[in-house]
Amino acid sequence: GQQLNQSPQSMFIQEGEDVSMNCTSSSIFNTWLWYKQDPGEGPVLLIALYKAGELTSNGRLTAQFGITRKDSFLNISASIPSDVGIYFCAGQLYNYGQNFVFGPGTRLSVLP
Amino acid sequence: EPEVTQTPSHQVTQMGQEVILRCVPISNHLYFYWYRQILGQKVEFLVSFYNNEISEKSEIFDDQFSVERPDGSVGFTLKIRSTKLEDSAMYFCASRVDRGGADTQYFGPGTRLTVL
Repeated sequence: GQQLNQSPQSMFIQEGEDVSMNCTSSSIFNTWLWYKQDPGEGPVLLIALYKAGELTSNGRLTAQFGITRKDSFLNISASIPSDVGIYFCAGQLYNYGQNFVFGPGTRLSVLP
Repeated sequence: EPEVTQTPSHQVTQMGQEVILRCVPISNHLYFYWYRQILGQKVEFLVSFYNNEISEKSEIFDDQFSVERPDGSVGFTLKIRSTKLEDSAMYFCASRVDRGGADTQYFGPGTRLTVL
């Protein structure tokens, strides 16, 4: 089946640093979503991307839908301790109505 | 802000028993999903549900599983028959509003299922 790859798998950064993570696939997606998951909780939607090349911001978060429709990145600026968690990308395949495929996640740790 | 809710938050059951997990979607949403997440692993799609019918299901969603939206109910359920140890996981439901394909899905807080 379709698979998403996320990199890095995990990262340790100092508070205040910027973070960049990405999500890639061999398949074309028509929607990309970025979620954050805290331990024991459900994924919380951060940003949704609908068009190739689209760049969208949500506070300190910025995400882009790759022009090939096969990748997306998420940037976090000026990280803070509450940014700690697992960040998942999810893609909806090009054919409308299909389910979302999740990546394996990037685990972010922020050191004070 | 509207949100997806799930009950129970934690379910402990004996192997071989049946469990029913419940979800109440956001009120104007039309598409419903169930996912599971085994501890430390990624979120895995189980099934999508629209207009009281299954739209898609994964290979995980075998005859052990079923989904239902009882008549007149705002919520929907995931039933797992004859649970196995490997069914232990977080089960998330999600819903989305159909807006011509450009839409997103919102997750509930999850039900932690522990099979002993």
